[in-house]
Amino acid sequence: DQQVKQNSPSLSVQEGRISILNCDYTNSMFDYFLWYKKYPAEGPTFLISISSIKDKNEDGRFTVFLNKSAKHLSLHIVPSQPGDSAVYFCAASKGGAQKLVFGQGTRLTINP
Amino acid sequence: EPEVTQTPSHQVTQMGQEVILRCVPISNHLYFYWYRQILGQKVEFLVSFYNNEISEKSEIFDDQFSVERPDGSNFTLKIRSTKLEDSAMYFCASSTLGREINEQFFGPGTRLTVL
Repeated sequence: DQQVKQNSPSLSVQEGRISILNCDYTNSMFDYFLWYKKYPAEGPTFLISISSIKDKNEDGRFTVFLNKSAKHLSLHIVPSQPGDSAVYFCAASKGGAQKLVFGQGTRLTINP
Repeated sequence: EPEVTQTPSHQVTQMGQEVILRCVPISNHLYFYWYRQILGQKVEFLVSFYNNEISEKSEIFDDQFSVERPDGSNFTLKIRSTKLEDSAMYFCASSTLGREINEQFFGPGTRLTVL
């Protein structure tokens, strides 16, 4: 089941620079998209979300962009900090408390 | 800040034994979920629960699995006869009504090891 794909298993970024994590989806019924951050031995932590009626949502250093025609979303982190080093999961749902479908995750490493 | 809690953090069991994984969702949340992550794989949905009944379940959630909300605070996942392939991290999540209905908050997980 490859409805949500994160094609980059890992990403390495210099501290202070921009981190861009990408996610693609195939199911046009998805209505809501979320990004989660996960540290080892912990549960996913909700970061930011976006509804399909928007193309951008911003929260502090985190911005999510949605391109519905391309079925693509991205998470931008500016500026990147060492504490941002974690695995980032993209997830999608059909909205209204429906199940989340997750991507495989991208391991982000922020180098000092 | 309110959070989802799960117990135990690690459960080791013999194949064929029953296990119960426990979760305490965030207190004003009404929707409850179980997910699991087998080592090296995606986080995958098991079941959702609302108003004391299952809303949706995946093909993984067969007759060996059941969920229950025995009181106003706990939400449990029972595996009746564990198999080796049930070894995974199990995450409980919850969400509330209104604008944030789609934002599911996850617990720290229970690592289940079936020997």
